[in-house]
Amino acid sequence: GAVVSQHPSWVICKSGTSVKIECRSLDFQATTMFWYRQFPKQSLMLMATSNEGSKATYEQGVEKDKFLINHASLTLSTLTVTSAHPEDSSFYICSARDVGFSMNTEAFFGQGTRLTVV
Amino acid sequence: GDSVTQMEGPVTLSEEAFLTINCTYTATGYPSLFWYVQYPGEGLQLLLKATKADDKGSNKGFEATYRKETTSFHLEKGSVQVSDSAVYFCALSPNSGNTPLVFGKGTRLSVIA
Repeated sequence: GAVVSQHPSWVICKSGTSVKIECRSLDFQATTMFWYRQFPKQSLMLMATSNEGSKATYEQGVEKDKFLINHASLTLSTLTVTSAHPEDSSFYICSARDVGFSMNTEAFFGQGTRLTVV
Repeated sequence: GDSVTQMEGPVTLSEEAFLTINCTYTATGYPSLFWYVQYPGEGLQLLLKATKADDKGSNKGFEATYRKETTSFHLEKGSVQVSDSAVYFCALSPNSGNTPLVFGKGTRLSVIA
């Protein structure tokens, strides 16, 4: 199946700094990627839909200026957590769907990034 | 809108026990249905899928059948192993373009030896 690679897998940063997380589709082109946040022992919370060449679409309650999304190419989307604070500590996961042939395809997920802000 | 409801966990089973995790959905049209598994500290992996009514998805001993009449996609395994301990998510794909999957809340399974 298709592969989505996410990097880094874990990061520790100081409060007030920014952290960039990369999500790459390795063997297919992804015009759309999705960013999720997952709190301990909870389900995935969709944060935003990343659209190649245009602005991301954010879910209600997600701060656009805090979570900057850039989707500059068909295989790369980045999520930057700006001015990070301890409450931003979480597990962030990206996903994409290879919809070249059908809309009824599964989503492929990155390995996730564990962000800890100290 | 579309939604997925799956049984609350956690579920604790002894090794070799039978597993059922219930999943029902609400959707317009004919969505595809999926089960994903998440091991600790990792992203989600597709476990199995079914794209139309009466399809049975299967993988690694797990099975689920797409039941349109009951809008269900229950996950089953005849004999669980300790290595099956993980969180299981039921999901559907809306038939409305390149949209995110709709997920259930997840069911945590712990299998003890």
